[in-house]
Amino acid sequence: EVQLVESGGGLVKPGESLRLSCAGSGFTFSGYSMNWVRQAPGKGLEWVSSISPRGDYIHYADSVKGRFTISRDNAKNSLYLQVNSLRAEDTAVYYCVRDSGRSSYYFDYWGQGTLVTVSS
Amino acid sequence: DIQMTQSPSSLSASVRDRVTITCRASQSINTYLNWYQQKPGKAPKVLIYAASSLQSGVPSRFSGSGSGTNFTLTISSLQPEDFATYYCQQSYRTSTFGQGTKLEIK
Repeated sequence: EVQLVESGGGLVKPGESLRLSCAGSGFTFSGYSMNWVRQAPGKGLEWVSSISPRGDYIHYADSVKGRFTISRDNAKNSLYLQVNSLRAEDTAVYYCVRDSGRSSYYFDYWGQGTLVTVSS
Repeated sequence: DIQMTQSPSSLSASVRDRVTITCRASQSINTYLNWYQQKPGKAPKVLIYAASSLQSGVPSRFSGSGSGTNFTLTISSLQPEDFATYYCQQSYRTSTFGQGTKLEIK
């Protein structure tokens, strides 16, 4: 069974940093592109970042470029998101999401999410 | 960036109704269009990928169509468990979601 389990969220002050983690299991982690998608309270979904299976292709949403860094450790079946210079508008549930690997590029498995709250 | 616009933003319907949600892309995305369902407090779940392909395990009352810039999600006969929020997503160039359509019980 595919599982994605996020951790690392919490309450932080504006300008502070966090490192979100996602542990994957039940599939060959190194064979899939992975993503972070976030959802602010009561709002819609926002794609944040993606990383290719070997980590050689990385993309970011404009809203986080320069502040967030995605990375992965295939030996540990883990995905990470370093989030720096946090702002109130970064408050959201952050989901770890697997790309299906099919040519149509859709998100087939999602974690349960980890909540990041940015407030003074 | 590719913008995705869904309509309507909210919709009231009854069980057994036929419902259609539309999604428009700001530029052609071929058929790189996916649909997700999200229930309160839960992660989204993919329903349709590549504009019209039904994800395994998803009931056949869900269908998708379109290509280029205009797409639709149709639920042929609403069931009580279908009341949720629906999102379209383009995967042609990175990823962008529509703003969502909340489907409520009339």
